[in-house]
Amino acid sequence: GAVVSQHPSRVICKSGTSVKIECRSLDFQATTMFWYRQFPKQSLMLMATSNEGSKATYEQGVEKDKFLINHASLTLSTLTVTSAHPEDSSFYICSARDPSGGDEQFFGPGTRLTVL
Amino acid sequence: AQSVSQHNHHVILSEAASLELGCNYSYGGTVNLFWYVQYPGQHLQLLLKYFSGDPLVKGIKGFEAEFIKSKFSFNLRKPSVQWSDTAEYFCAVNVAGGGNKLTFGTGTQLKVEL
Repeated sequence: GAVVSQHPSRVICKSGTSVKIECRSLDFQATTMFWYRQFPKQSLMLMATSNEGSKATYEQGVEKDKFLINHASLTLSTLTVTSAHPEDSSFYICSARDPSGGDEQFFGPGTRLTVL
Repeated sequence: AQSVSQHNHHVILSEAASLELGCNYSYGGTVNLFWYVQYPGQHLQLLLKYFSGDPLVKGIKGFEAEFIKSKFSFNLRKPSVQWSDTAEYFCAVNVAGGGNKLTFGTGTQLKVEL
């Protein structure tokens, strides 16, 4: 199946700094990527839909100025957590939709963010 | 908005036991249904999906799920589990024509003991 990578896998940062997480589709072109957040022992919550060449669509309650999403190419989407605070600590997971694969989304391995 | 419920949060089975994990969703329209699995230390992988047609769908590794529209359910089954099936299982739905946005259940942690 298609492969999606994320970088970094883990990041620890100080409160007030910004952190960028990359999501790449390695063997297909993804016009649409999704960003999820997963709290411990809870489900994945969709944060935003990232469309190549256009602005991301954010879910209700997600601050677009806090979580900046850029989808500059068909294989790369980035999520930047700006002015991170401890409550932003979480597991962030991206997925990419392969247009040739119907509605299936392929998931990255996730990024564990810890804000001190 | 749609929602997904998985009633079993933790399940412990012995090898060769049969498995059934419950999944119910709430949405009045047409949905696509999915089961994903996350093995320890790995990313989410698709087990099976239902879009239309035969409500009994078969997936990888011997798993199957049955869509019962009247019950808004999409339970996952496997006749005989193996130790390697130890993982977390997520049910998910998206609204047909709704932009592929997935809504996930809270997940079920399955542990299979030898």
